[in-house]
Amino acid sequence: GAGVSQSPSNKVTEKGKDVELRCDPISGHTALYWYRQSLGQGLEFLIYFQGNSAPDKSGLPSDRFSAERTGGSVSTLTIQRTQQEDSAVYLCASSLATRNTEAFFGQGTRLTVV
Amino acid sequence: AQSVTQLDSQVPVFEEAPVELRCNYSSSVSVYLFWYVQYPNQGLQLLLKYLSGSTLVKSINGFEAEFNKSQTSFHLRKPSVHISDTAEYFCAVSDFGSGNTPLVFGKGTRLSVIA
Repeated sequence: GAGVSQSPSNKVTEKGKDVELRCDPISGHTALYWYRQSLGQGLEFLIYFQGNSAPDKSGLPSDRFSAERTGGSVSTLTIQRTQQEDSAVYLCASSLATRNTEAFFGQGTRLTVV
Repeated sequence: AQSVTQLDSQVPVFEEAPVELRCNYSSSVSVYLFWYVQYPNQGLQLLLKYLSGSTLVKSINGFEAEFNKSQTSFHLRKPSVHISDTAEYFCAVSDFGSGNTPLVFGKGTRLSVIA
């Protein structure tokens, strides 16, 4: 596609429900990142995928968070038993490589847990 | 592990005045450095980057940043800002040591240009 696509753009969910956030990266990009953006907290790294390597999950805040990337393309971030502190904008980015090339960001999914 | 510190969370500045947004990083290996910008209600986009070579890098809209290895800094500057520069600016680092490492961001600096 022309850019990184994320869906939904907005999601309101009740506390305790599970949510799935989708990211469709730029075609051919081997690296895919998930970040969380909260007011005053900047971009918090969550997880990233690089090719066929095992994902780096070191940024996931709890075991309620998980992500997968199917076929080296689309990724889904799942948050189970959502809490109010999970409310944030979840950003996905992709790049050709992890280190020296530009990461392209999607518009994000704004998650509100009520 | 790398980390990035942006010392100022908010910087108000009058139009046509100069501005400097500070960024310091910590890493045990050599790094690549980036500045990303997020305009109001828009996604993040790359502003400029340092990979190697000249330590002074420039963007197309008049910003520049200088890599200072001894001070582990990558401050962003513009000699004369415009209203349209109002945005949030994020400094990021990625190391080019062995293995894969993610792009690590600072907490951001909100630049507000006042007419």
